[in-house]
Amino acid sequence: GAVVSQHPSRVICKSGTSVKIECRSLDFQATTMFWYRQFPKQSLMLMATSNEGSKATYEQGVEKDKFLINHASLTLSTLTVTSAHPEDSSFYICSAREAGQQLTEAFFGQGTRLTVV
Amino acid sequence: AQSVTQPDIHITVSEGASLELRCNYSYGATPYLFWYVQSPGQGLQLLLKYFSGDTLVQGIKGFEAEFKRSQSSFNLRKPSVHWSDAAEYFCAVGPKEYGNKLVFGAGTILRVKS
Repeated sequence: GAVVSQHPSRVICKSGTSVKIECRSLDFQATTMFWYRQFPKQSLMLMATSNEGSKATYEQGVEKDKFLINHASLTLSTLTVTSAHPEDSSFYICSAREAGQQLTEAFFGQGTRLTVV
Repeated sequence: AQSVTQPDIHITVSEGASLELRCNYSYGATPYLFWYVQSPGQGLQLLLKYFSGDTLVQGIKGFEAEFKRSQSSFNLRKPSVHWSDAAEYFCAVGPKEYGNKLVFGAGTILRVKS
């Protein structure tokens, strides 16, 4: 199956700094990528939908100025957590859907564990 | 509103025993249904999916799931559980029109005892 690579897998940063997480589709082109957040012992919650070459669509309650999403190419989307605080500590997972494919699932990255200290 | 309910937070089964994980959904249109598995600290791996056709779908690792429209359910089953199946399982529903903007259930943690 298609592979989605997320980097880094773990990151620890100081409060107030920014962290960038990359999501790459390795062997397919993805017009749409999704960013999810998972709190401990909870399910995944969709944060935003990222479309190549256009602005991301954020879910209600997600601060777009805090979680900057860039989808500059068909194989790369980035999520930047700006001015991170301890409450932003979480598990972030991206998924990507192959361009032009109607009946296919989105493929998930392995996730990024963010810890803000 | 779209929602997915996994009523069992934890399930413990003995190795070799059968398994059924429950999933009920609320959706306004024909749903696309998925089961994912997540090992600790890892991303999600797709076990199986239902888009249309045969309501009994086979997945990887010996899992299967049955779509029952009348009950709005998509329960996951495995006839004989292995210790390596211990993980967290998520049921998800998504629309055809919006790609794979998925709504996930809360997850069920499976423990396997030897």
